[in-house]
Amino acid sequence: KNEVEQSPQNLTAQEGEFITINCSYSVGISALHWLQQHPGGGIVSLFMLSSGKKKHGRLIATINIQEKHSSLHITASHPRDSAVYICAVGGNNRLAFGKGNQVVVIP
Amino acid sequence: SAVISQKPSRDICQRGTSLTIQCQVDSQVTMMFWYRQQPGQSLTLIATANQGSEATYESGFVIDKFPISRPNLTFSTLTVSNMSPEDSSIYLCSVVSFGQFFGPGTRLTVL
Repeated sequence: KNEVEQSPQNLTAQEGEFITINCSYSVGISALHWLQQHPGGGIVSLFMLSSGKKKHGRLIATINIQEKHSSLHITASHPRDSAVYICAVGGNNRLAFGKGNQVVVIP
Repeated sequence: SAVISQKPSRDICQRGTSLTIQCQVDSQVTMMFWYRQQPGQSLTLIATANQGSEATYESGFVIDKFPISRPNLTFSTLTVSNMSPEDSSIYLCSVVSFGQFFGPGTRLTVL
């Protein structure tokens, strides 16, 4: 079993819809990262969180340490949100990565 | 935050040749990491590059295949040696500086 599981693997939404993607992990962590990867391959760090909830623009990330689960929510989704969203967990020097959620937002 | 640039952004190479990827950071960092992302797979850590010492390689990766240089606190190179089609991947440089930051990646295709 992978240390980090993400679901759903693929998600297609209409522009404007509310999107939720999930990450479950099986190892002890000091932080969880949500990353965004566009088709060119470059990765942007969206959030690093160790408890509670963080919000940045239309993106909200939550984490439940007891349940070892995190969600990333996208409100009022837009085609430019189309990307692979990768969950990574661990300490600063050693991260375990999920395979990503492929999100496509249709105009 | 840290801003990372990589060169080249992409390349198509012939089997048996080598490619050196450069990673430049806009601030001094102690540890730099090199990751590989094979098609459809998650990121895998190749090695950790520390300035002034040999890189530390993860299981399954060896220095002869992936030699790394770290001449100063803002720069590192990863060489993919004697390439085969199985080396076709995205290679990413990453640093930790009040958070984890990734470079734009180098998309390598080996024919």
